[in-house]
Amino acid sequence: QQQVKQSPQSLIVQKGGIPIINCAYENTAFDYFPWYQQFPGKGPALLIAIRPDVSEKKEGRFTISFNKSAKQFSLHIMDSQPGDSATYFCAARGSVQTSYDKVIFGPGTSLSVIP
Amino acid sequence: DTAVSQTPKYLVTQMGNDKSIKCEQNLGHDTMYWYKQDSKKFLKIMFSYNNKELIINETVPNRFSPKSPDKAHLNLHINSLELGDSAVYFCASSPLEETQYFGPGTRLLVL
Repeated sequence: QQQVKQSPQSLIVQKGGIPIINCAYENTAFDYFPWYQQFPGKGPALLIAIRPDVSEKKEGRFTISFNKSAKQFSLHIMDSQPGDSATYFCAARGSVQTSYDKVIFGPGTSLSVIP
Repeated sequence: DTAVSQTPKYLVTQMGNDKSIKCEQNLGHDTMYWYKQDSKKFLKIMFSYNNKELIINETVPNRFSPKSPDKAHLNLHINSLELGDSAVYFCASSPLEETQYFGPGTRLLVL
């Protein structure tokens, strides 16, 4: 129940393409869904986050789509660039009022954007 | 100004040794964490402290002991290091219920 599933494990796209990373969760106590970006040798950094009261959130070239009924959410990267090559983690967190007030990470997706 | 800092960045040691990793945050956050990232990049929470109090202690061998001397520091001491402890250890901090800010990681290699 605490798992967050993520696919694909790895993804290669050409520059300008739109990579899509999908995540799914089981626990309805989760109410905060961040995406993290990690470059080699660095710590993960928050990219964009969404709460279940909205179905979509866009920040620059990054968009999260959220489907509460299906318990799924996805990250789209528009006009992808070689500099976007990194590992992307979806995550989920419950509120402190629940026993799930910790961030559960998906297993990560390694994205390569080729010129 | 580094928000979350960790020392050392690299740690190479022999099996059976005891080692410590230090973490400091200057963001004024109440909550700090330790995560372990294995060779497949899977991130798993180990511990969480809120205002110097332990609030999350995942299933981690008791050879791992966190210590929080104050709100801005969370150190990790590891006794009797084993080969399987080799990983990258990340410290993170967050305001309550909000996003986490990760440090640069400590790469531990146990020989």
